[in-house]
Amino acid sequence: AQSVTQLGSHVSVSEGALVLLRCNYSSSVPPYLFWYVQYPNQGLQLLLKYTTGATLVKGINGFEAEFKKSETSFHLTKPSAHMSDAAEYFCAVSKDTGRRALTFGSGTRLQVQP
Amino acid sequence: KAGVTQTPRYLIKTRGQQVTLSCSPISGHRSVSWYQQTPGQGLQFLFEYFSETQRNKGNFPGRFSGRQFSNSRSEMNVSTLELGDSALYLCASSPRMGEYQETQYFGPGTRLLVL
Repeated sequence: AQSVTQLGSHVSVSEGALVLLRCNYSSSVPPYLFWYVQYPNQGLQLLLKYTTGATLVKGINGFEAEFKKSETSFHLTKPSAHMSDAAEYFCAVSKDTGRRALTFGSGTRLQVQP
Repeated sequence: KAGVTQTPRYLIKTRGQQVTLSCSPISGHRSVSWYQQTPGQGLQFLFEYFSETQRNKGNFPGRFSGRQFSNSRSEMNVSTLELGDSALYLCASSPRMGEYQETQYFGPGTRLLVL
């Protein structure tokens, strides 16, 4: 069965600093990996996804993530945090045998300090 | 294109009642999935519908059910509500079923409070 672990339920950075949100997965098959963002009182918005091909994936709002099979990781980064990045971020994995449902991590709440 | 819409946005019910939530997918999308989001359990998959048929189901009791109509709109129903059913219920749509790499587009959710 597939699972996702997000290290750090809360991350605080200063505006302009590097954002690093960690995600590790386990999957019995090569996974498809996603990062979603959730702003208060809203649904989930896709930031980026990895399916096949290039392991460095660029997403919206300056975010990117690198799929590292040897480390079973898919960490999300952004070189310079902006106040508007404050939100909750979810890593998710798909493609377990027979099911397409997304399995989500527990989420990381990003706080950006002025 | 309009996004995924969910109605109502907020709902208050009492224990033992039943509730029906509605989801309209993005135009042209035929697959609809439902997720439950709670502070304790996080985001959990409920079920997926495609062509009016339930294709996948998560680990939820039979009190949770759903259906999909010919226009791809979907409803989910929870009977005999319990306090633990208080949650944000999210609907997501995608063009097809079975394509693991496809993006699921989420609606804003329905926040259900059970008293």
